Amino acid sequence: KAGVTQTPRYLIKTRGQQVTLSCSPISGHRSVSWYQQTPGQGLQFLFEYFSETQRNKGNFPGRFSGRQFSNSRSEMNVSTLELGDSALYLCASSPSETRASQYFGPGTRLLVL
Amino acid sequence: AQSVAQPEDQVNVAEGNPLTVKCTYSVSGNPYLFWYVQYPNRGLQFLLKYITGDNLVKGSYGFEAEFNKSQTSFHLKKPSALVSDSALYFCAVSSMNTGFQKLVFGTGTRLLVSP
Repeated sequence: KAGVTQTPRYLIKTRGQQVTLSCSPISGHRSVSWYQQTPGQGLQFLFEYFSETQRNKGNFPGRFSGRQFSNSRSEMNVSTLELGDSALYLCASSPSETRASQYFGPGTRLLVL
Repeated sequence: AQSVAQPEDQVNVAEGNPLTVKCTYSVSGNPYLFWYVQYPNRGLQFLLKYITGDNLVKGSYGFEAEFNKSQTSFHLKKPSALVSDSALYFCAVSSMNTGFQKLVFGTGTRLLVSP
């Protein structure tokens, strides 16, 4: 099976702009989670979607949002970008089973100037 | 609140020697514990997990980890290290109380295996 794919892989934006990142899960996986990785804060959970519904969320401001489509593909959006939003954004997918492991994509590296 | 501590920023070991990467956790309820590895410019690769059952968990690439409930630890081990094991290792925890898929990660431990 193909792994989790994320597009784009690299992105440069300026402060105040908005950005949309895309994640295609492994075929058959219905849960998609997003994480932010920065040198200062490490890996932090953003949100999880399952069957097009947000099932869980982390402690991020409302500028961070996401959605999931009927084919399980997911997008996350960050509005009004700040310099501190520069990070590696990782998407992970897992099967429907409750205690299944998450498999991560390669990430999208976002640089905000 | 859940938390994970990886007390060592870096672990150095010679190739062929056993390695241990330490992890302790704090969680309310039963913990679900994971180890992931990250190579440069890559995402995270799943190594192993503990959900329930046997305290010794075997995973990918010859790695194993031992769950110790009394010490709230989940140390990663490998009997014989390879130079190719050099990477960044993350321990993570979740629970049914906060959501199985909501992983809380440690700060990571860089493993350096010298030839």
